[in-house]
Amino acid sequence: AQSVAQPEDQVNVAEGNPLTVKCTYSVSGNPYLFWYVQYPNRGLQFLLKYITGDNLVKGSYGFEAEFNKSQTSFHLKKPSALVSDSALYFCAVRGYNTDKLIFGTGTRLQVFP
Amino acid sequence: DVKVTQSSRYLVKRTGEKVFLECVQDMDHENMFWYRQDPGLGLRLIYFSYDVKMKEKGDIPEGYSVSREKKERFSLILESASTNQTSMYLCASSFQGYNEQFFGPGTRLTVL
Repeated sequence: AQSVAQPEDQVNVAEGNPLTVKCTYSVSGNPYLFWYVQYPNRGLQFLLKYITGDNLVKGSYGFEAEFNKSQTSFHLKKPSALVSDSALYFCAVRGYNTDKLIFGTGTRLQVFP
Repeated sequence: DVKVTQSSRYLVKRTGEKVFLECVQDMDHENMFWYRQDPGLGLRLIYFSYDVKMKEKGDIPEGYSVSREKKERFSLILESASTNQTSMYLCASSFQGYNEQFFGPGTRLTVL
């Protein structure tokens, strides 16, 4: 069965420092992976996706994610965090032979000035 | 820009009431989804529709039903609201295939 795990409930980082939000997955077949961000009292916004190709995927707002097949991971990264990046981040994997997405439980990112 | 709109941002209902949540998308997407979001549980899929009048149960369909009579509109119905249905409800849509979903702003429903 397809599943995704976000092992950290919260990540704290100082403004200007690099940030990483972790995601691991378990799939049957090829993995199709997504990252979303949710600001307070808002819906989710799409950041980036991995379907095939380069292991480093670039997305919106300066975010990127590294696909690692051997470690079954798809960590979200940004070289220099901003206070405005503080939000809830969700990793998701496409279900097997379906357009449904399976979401992780979310990681709250807090960037301190 | 893709627009997914939901009929209400905040809703307060009484136990036993019938509740309708409506979602409209303007991008001609085939797929539409209803999720509920609860702290610590992430997003859980309630129902999925891949075409007009077509629907598929998600992970937590009990206590809910859906209707999709037109391609752009997907309604979630709580037949008899209960306090454990107090939650944030999110609608999303997408093209078929390996495509991202676009989300509405959400409806925060409180059942008293």
